[in-house]
Amino acid sequence: AQSVTQLGSHVSVSEGALVLLRCNYSSSVPPYLFWYVQYPNQGLQLLLKYTSAATLVKGINGFEAEFKKSETSFHLTKPSAHMSDAAEYFCAASPGYSTLTFGKGTMLLVSP
Amino acid sequence: EAQVTQNPRYLITVTGKKLTVTCSQNMNHEYMSWYRQDPGLGLRQIYYSMNVEVTDKGDVPEGYKVSRKEKRNFPLILESPSPNQTSLYFCASSQGPQDGYTFGSGTRLTVV
Repeated sequence: AQSVTQLGSHVSVSEGALVLLRCNYSSSVPPYLFWYVQYPNQGLQLLLKYTSAATLVKGINGFEAEFKKSETSFHLTKPSAHMSDAAEYFCAASPGYSTLTFGKGTMLLVSP
Repeated sequence: EAQVTQNPRYLITVTGKKLTVTCSQNMNHEYMSWYRQDPGLGLRQIYYSMNVEVTDKGDVPEGYKVSRKEKRNFPLILESPSPNQTSLYFCASSQGPQDGYTFGSGTRLTVV
């Protein structure tokens, strides 16, 4: 079964610093990969997705993620954090069916 | 506006009293799914549907039922709710596994 691991339940950065949220998936066949963001008391919003077209994927709000097959990773980055980026971020993987498996989430804290 | 609509947003009920959480999407999506979100556990799939009258169990189906009689609707039924079903529930829909899911705003259920 597919599994998704997010390293670090909480990540703290200063405003303007690099954001790096880590995600690893377990699969011998690269699945479809996604990053979602959840703001307090809201649903999940799709940030970006990998569907094998390109290994570097750009998403909304200045976020991007790089797919590395050799490392089975799909880490999320943003060059400069903004206070409004504070939220919980979820990595998810789909093997190509309708199941979508989520990691446990990483809470991003941004300090001024 | 393209959206997934869940009702109610908040629900407090007593153990054993049957309830239904409704979900409707206006995007003509084939796939629909229910997730529950619990602190520290991320999102776990309860049931999913690939088309009308086609449903299957996710990772945590015990205590839940679903039906897909129409393409746009995918209600979640708790025949005899128990306190361990207290959670935040999300309905989601998708055109296909490569697209990721669009999520509703969530239903916060408390069973006392």
